[in-house]
Order: sequence, then structure tokens, then C-alpha cells
Amino acid sequence: AQTVTQSQPEMSVQEAETVTLSCTYDTSENNYYLFWYKQPPSRQMILVIRQEAYKQQNATENRFSVNFQKAAKSFSLKISDSQLGDTAMYFCAFMPLFQGAQKLVFGQGTRLTINP
Amino acid sequence: GAVVSQHPSWVICKSGTSVKIECRSLDFQATTMFWYRQFPKQSLMLMATSNEGSKATYEQGVEKDKFLINHASLTLSTLTVTSAHPEDSSFYICSARATDRGVGEAFFGQGTRLTVV
Repeated sequence: AQTVTQSQPEMSVQEAETVTLSCTYDTSENNYYLFWYKQPPSRQMILVIRQEAYKQQNATENRFSVNFQKAAKSFSLKISDSQLGDTAMYFCAFMPLFQGAQKLVFGQGTRLTINP
Repeated sequence: GAVVSQHPSWVICKSGTSVKIECRSLDFQATTMFWYRQFPKQSLMLMATSNEGSKATYEQGVEKDKFLINHASLTLSTLTVTSAHPEDSSFYICSARATDRGVGEAFFGQGTRLTVV
């Protein structure tokens, strides 16, 4: 069974700073996707960024980038120039590509607060 | 992007009654939908996987007779909480995977807050 671990329950930074959220996972699969989802106070889950395991290049989406270390099974999210609207719960998620329904396995979440 | 609509956004019901939550994919077809439960300040816990035209697959520990799932069409899945009790109070979220939007793309509904009194 796959597991996803987010070791930082809460983080807080000042606006415009850079923050890195950590995520590790455990799997015996070789083909999978990794995701970071954001859940703001509205509780709507929003996809932030996605990484295919077969790609060595780290994914980037504007201010969001990941550091994907496949051998170490690590998948951290870096938010640059943080904004007040980035305040939310962030969930790391794993999805095997060739297992049945391709279910998402979520980490425990990190509550990120951006202070003005 | 693809839109998943979940209804109602919140519901209060009396203990012993049943509540139905709908999850609709508005602009795409979803052969697979997922139902999650989320307790305050916790992560999403997968309850079941819903496949169009077939029985849902429940995760270990989830009572299938209590949480009835029906996926009657490619755009609609429903979750019915039967004989609800206060311990069923929670936030329920659905997600749908678009069959034509590439591997791994799952879209989430806005969630339903259920309170059983």
C-alpha cells in the first residue's frame, strides 16, 4: 500500500517570502503521478501542480514549483513570492498509474498561513 | 477547466433520516467518481469508488449499506447516507475523473457539509 507523509502540520510566512512544503511517499510502483492540491477556507480542492514520475524535469506553474527526487521518494512544493491568497491547506497526493481505478492517496496536509 | 457540481452545499437532518448528495460533472463525462469524507482539520479519506453502470467499490471499514452510492449516468453519482446519526456529521467531497482529459486529471466538487442533529 502506498503512503504519503507531510511532516509539517502548520507553516507560517510573511507575504512575498518563499516557502517550501515537504512531502515524502512510499511505494513500490514505478509509474505514478504526484500532485499538490490546495484547499482554501472555501474547502474547494484546487489542483496546484502535477508531476509525472517518468519525467526528470521538475514541474513548474508560475510561482509554484516542485523538487521531485524519485530515488528519495520526496516531492516538495516551493511557493515563491507568496501572496495572501495562498493561505490554505495543502495536500500532497500520490496516484499509481496502473492500479485499478487510479485512486488518489493524500497526505495529512499542511496548513499554510501567509501573513501581511 | 472541467466543472464538478456537488449539491447540496450543506444540509442539516434529523437523526434516523436519510440524506442524498449529488455529484455532477457539468461539461465532461466521468466513468469514475470518488467519494471522500473529511473531518475537521484532517485529510480526505476515500470512502468509495463509483463506476458508471456498476456497483461501487468501498474502502475497508466503510459500511456499504449505510453509504449507498449510485452512478446511474456518465455525469451523475449520488451518495445516500441512510439512517444518519450524529457521528455521520462530516464534510463529504466528490471528485470525477474525465475520460478525455488525460491521465490523472481529477476534478473536485465543492463539498457538502452534513450535520445530523
